[in-house]
Amino acid sequence: AQSVSQHNHHVILSEAASLELGCNYSYGGTVNLFWYVQYPGQHLQLLLKYFSGDPLVKGIKGFEAEFIKSKFSFNLRKPSVQWSDTAEYFCAVNGNNRLAFGKGNQVVVIP
Amino acid sequence: ETGVTQTPRHLVMGMTNKKSLKCEQHLGHNAMYWYKQSAKKPLELMFVYNFKEQTENNSVPSRFSPECPNSSHLFLHLHTLQPEDSALYLCASSLGRGDRRTNYGYTFGSGTRLTVV
Repeated sequence: AQSVSQHNHHVILSEAASLELGCNYSYGGTVNLFWYVQYPGQHLQLLLKYFSGDPLVKGIKGFEAEFIKSKFSFNLRKPSVQWSDTAEYFCAVNGNNRLAFGKGNQVVVIP
Repeated sequence: ETGVTQTPRHLVMGMTNKKSLKCEQHLGHNAMYWYKQSAKKPLELMFVYNFKEQTENNSVPSRFSPECPNSSHLFLHLHTLQPEDSALYLCASSLGRGDRRTNYGYTFGSGTRLTVV
């Protein structure tokens, strides 16, 4: 079964700072990779996804993620965060038709 | 709204009560899932239904009983729960296994916040 690791559960940064959240997974087969975001009091929303092709994926709200197959990683980045990016971010891996999530990163952006 | 609707949004129940959570989607998806979201833990997959058939039970205690009468509806029946079962229960849907359309991930409902007292 696949597993997903996210580090630095709590991240606090100022507006305009750059954000990078790490995601590593363990699964030997073909995977589909996702980042979901959960804003305070809201539902999980898809931020971006990777299925195939260009390993650098652009998502909504200026987020991007890079799939590095050799490192089993799918790190999320945003060059300049805003206060509205305060949320919890979950990396997810779909291998063998089973979606597994990491523990999430709680990101707080200070105005 | 996400296209996946869960009711109720909040539920408080005693340990001897029986209640049910409901999930409904009209996205044309054929796979539906129950997840449990507890504080400081990864989202835990509980049950998977693919074309109304249960394909996965992730070692969930029998006090949780799922029901999928059709591809659009999913229930989670609860009885004699424990306080540690308090959590956010999320329903999700996706294209089913075997569907040749491209899988664009899961769509989640807003969840039911369950408190067991």
